[in-house]
Amino acid sequence: GAGVSQSPRYKVAKRGQDVALRCDPISGHVSLFWYQQALGQGPEFLTYFQNEAQLDKSGLPSDRFFAERPEGSVSTLKIQRTQQEDSAVYLCASSLALGANTEAFFGQGTRLTVV
Amino acid sequence: RKEVEQDPGPFNVPEGATVAFNCTYSNSASQSFFWYRQDCRKEPKLLMSVYSSGNEDGRFTAQLNRASQYISLLIRDSKLSDSATYLCVVRNFNKFYFGSGTKLNVKP
Repeated sequence: GAGVSQSPRYKVAKRGQDVALRCDPISGHVSLFWYQQALGQGPEFLTYFQNEAQLDKSGLPSDRFFAERPEGSVSTLKIQRTQQEDSAVYLCASSLALGANTEAFFGQGTRLTVV
Repeated sequence: RKEVEQDPGPFNVPEGATVAFNCTYSNSASQSFFWYRQDCRKEPKLLMSVYSSGNEDGRFTAQLNRASQYISLLIRDSKLSDSATYLCVVRNFNKFYFGSGTKLNVKP
C-alpha cells in the first residue's frame, strides 16, 4: 500500500509487560513522528526522526518509552513495564523533508490497552 | 498553556447550515497551519492547509490571522458526511502541534 502502515492495530498488554509497536512510513519520507492520543484528546507529540536520527524525543513521557529507526525507514516504539496510564492510541506519521506547508500523513494507529 | 486551543464542541447543526470553528495558537514563530479531520476510531487526515491570504476548497474556507494568532474554518452547506472531529494543527520547526479537536454533528 501507499500509506503509512502500523502494526499491530490492537494490543492488550498486562501491566508490567513490554510492548513494541511498528511503523512503516511512506517510501521516501524523511521525517517520521510518533504521537500518543488519549480518548477525546488531540494527538500529543512523542518523538521525531529525520532519516535514522532521532532529533527530538522531548515528548516521551518517561524513560520506559524508547523509539528507534535504525535504517531510516521502519520505526519501532517500545514501551517497557507498561502501566495503565500508557493506554492510548499510538499514531505514527511521516512526511517529506519539512518545508513550507509540508503535511504529515498518519497511519491508522495502534490501540494499546494495558490491563 | 497548550500550544493550540480549540473549542471542543460539540457543534450540532442541521444539514445545509454554515458552521465556523476557531482555534488559537501560542507560538508566534509557528510556520505552517492546517486543518485535519478525524473520524471516530480513524487516523487524522489532512482537510486543508491554511495560508496567510486565506484559502477556499469547495465548501470549506480557512483563514489565518497571524497578528492575533488565530485560525478559522468555515463549512458552508453542511452535509451529514461532514460529521467528524476537526483538528487545528500548527507546525513549529519539527513538531506538529494539535488542538484537542472540535466535534461536529450534522443532523438530518
